[in-house]
Amino acid sequence: GAGVSQTPSNKVTEKGKYVELRCDPISGHTALYWYRQSLGQGPEFLIYFQGTGAADDSGLPNDRFFAVRPEGSVSTLKIQRTERGDSAVYLCASSLSGTGFGEQYFGPGTRLTVT
Amino acid sequence: KQEVTQIPAALSVPEGENLVLNCSFTDSAIYNLQWFRQDPGKGLTSLLLIQSSQREQTSGRLNASLDKSSGRSTLYIAASQPGDSATYLCAVTPPGNTGKLIFGQGTTLQVKP
Repeated sequence: GAGVSQTPSNKVTEKGKYVELRCDPISGHTALYWYRQSLGQGPEFLIYFQGTGAADDSGLPNDRFFAVRPEGSVSTLKIQRTERGDSAVYLCASSLSGTGFGEQYFGPGTRLTVT
Repeated sequence: KQEVTQIPAALSVPEGENLVLNCSFTDSAIYNLQWFRQDPGKGLTSLLLIQSSQREQTSGRLNASLDKSSGRSTLYIAASQPGDSATYLCAVTPPGNTGKLIFGQGTTLQVKP
């Protein structure tokens, strides 16, 4: 079956613009995670969905960042008034279980560049 | 606050050498530890997952160990090959009901032919 997919693969936007990043998890995976990876660093947790609800959004850096998963499958990460510091690779992962015992499967990421 | 550190940041070895990558974490209260591989411009591929009750896991030429009490894990790669060149990341899952991962900075490995 298909793995986790993310679109677009690359996004270049101007400072101050709004962007949406999409994640399509593995079918049947109820848990979905967003991470952000800056150059030379490991990924940092942003938000976790169990089904349709955001069970943990403690990693979102500020209120310009928002994510949804309205039908418990596809998720969209939304960034308002983008800043150059938002430039990074945004990774999505899904898992059968969000209890901490399941393996997470990662998508290829969206590289966001804010000019 | 849980912190994960990987040493060294970069490593270059000749083909065929056995090598060890190190990962340490500050809080021993974890559910599990995972080792991932990341190729340039790509996502993460899970290599090994060790539950907190386990001491080690093996897959082919890879062996990962976990010493929870000392906050350490090692990834052993036997008979390294140029195709092993990549960044290796370790990540721990802290207690709680989210399963979120806390990552180290990674070790970038280059295996020279």
